[in-house]
Amino acid sequence: DAGVTQSPTHLIKTRGQQVTLRCSPKSGHDTVSWYQQALGQGPQFIFQYYEEEERQRGNFPDRFSGHQFPNYSSELNVNALLLGDSALYLCASSRWYISNQPQHFGDGTRLSIL
Amino acid sequence: AQTVTQSQPEMSVQEAETVTLSCTYDTSENNYYLFWYKQPPSRQMILVIRQEAYKQQNATENRFSVNFQKAAKSFSLKISDSQLGDTAMYFCAFILPGRVSNFGNEKLTFGTGTRLTIIP
Repeated sequence: DAGVTQSPTHLIKTRGQQVTLRCSPKSGHDTVSWYQQALGQGPQFIFQYYEEEERQRGNFPDRFSGHQFPNYSSELNVNALLLGDSALYLCASSRWYISNQPQHFGDGTRLSIL
Repeated sequence: AQTVTQSQPEMSVQEAETVTLSCTYDTSENNYYLFWYKQPPSRQMILVIRQEAYKQQNATENRFSVNFQKAAKSFSLKISDSQLGDTAMYFCAFILPGRVSNFGNEKLTFGTGTRLTIIP
């Protein structure tokens, strides 16, 4: 039973560029949440997708956008990259109607902005 | 808004000893869930233990147990017989159930973490 998988593992970009991160949820899960974890900090919620719609959004600018596909996989897009976007980006999956079930996390994508 | 505070940035303990990690949170809601997650250098966030706020009994998972004090809004993690593999960042996290937030699945709110080192 595959868990949450994220790609790529590590990415290096320069300021102003755009980046796309990918996530495949755990088998049986239909909800994907994205978190940003800056160095030495706890993860911060970016947004959550269910039924291909953004359901919730944290305090992140519109440069951060996402998408969910019919197979429940998801993408996180960040435009006009800033140095402050350097972080570990975590994807977590869960089932929409089981809110007390813990979210399962992937290994994350380390994004470095030069 | 919900907040989670972990006041111990770093801790270390000898192997086989017991260690307790602190966590406090703030919410006006009565029903919620609390979690401890472990993040080793491999980066993956791994669930250690969870507690439903409506349950008075403290959760236990093998060597891991919690001391949940709802009135004090405190949720500490005790690791007994610590092992070298317990070395990791530990995050306390909070979530509201969907029926409170009108969403099917709420977002996790994390603390800033405690770096735990087990010394051989």
